[in-house]
Amino acid sequence: QQKVQQSPESLIVPEGGMASLNCTFSDRNSQYFWWYRQHSGEGPKALMSIFSNGDKKEGRFTAHLNKASLHVSLHIKDSQPSDSALYFCAGMSNYNVLYFGSGTKLTVEP
Amino acid sequence: EAAVTQSPRNKVAVTGGKVTLSCNQTNNHNNMYWYRQDTGHGLRLIHYSYGAGSTEKGDIPDGYKASRPSQENFSLILELATPSQTSVYFCASGQTGRDTGQLYFGEGSKLTVL
Repeated sequence: QQKVQQSPESLIVPEGGMASLNCTFSDRNSQYFWWYRQHSGEGPKALMSIFSNGDKKEGRFTAHLNKASLHVSLHIKDSQPSDSALYFCAGMSNYNVLYFGSGTKLTVEP
Repeated sequence: EAAVTQSPRNKVAVTGGKVTLSCNQTNNHNNMYWYRQDTGHGLRLIHYSYGAGSTEKGDIPDGYKASRPSQENFSLILELATPSQTSVYFCASGQTGRDTGQLYFGEGSKLTVL
């Protein structure tokens, strides 16, 4: 059974600031990693994926993967109030099952 | 955009009663999933399916059954509901292959068991 440690539990950043979220996975078979975002009252939506070691940048969002340590991070540059949401990291192994972290509640204060 | 529809969106049930949560997807995805979301636990996998007629147990299957009668429909059944099953339940669909791991979630079903 995959265990996913996600931190921090909650994070408050000022508008325009940098938000950094972290996850560590226990299953060495994990190959595909994702970040999901959930706004209040909605279902989670896929934000971005990262499958290879290193950084992947999409606009203000940068994901980082270190397969050796099974560590994934998400950095949000120039944070906006609309970025306020619950963020989940997720990992998938060989069986098409996605395991989620416990979530980070991000609040961006104007 | 891929669509997953859940019903009911809100349900109040009594302890010992039977509850069925339904999910329909129009994405033609092979895989479907049921998760529950509780504060501090994130999304925990209850049951999943690889296609019509198949169901698999996730991490927390006790007290739940699942049914996948067709490609489009996946139900979660609580035969004897208990207050500990009060939660928000999410259905999702996904396809193996390109974008592996991209799931499309419904809007959630809030279940309260009294």
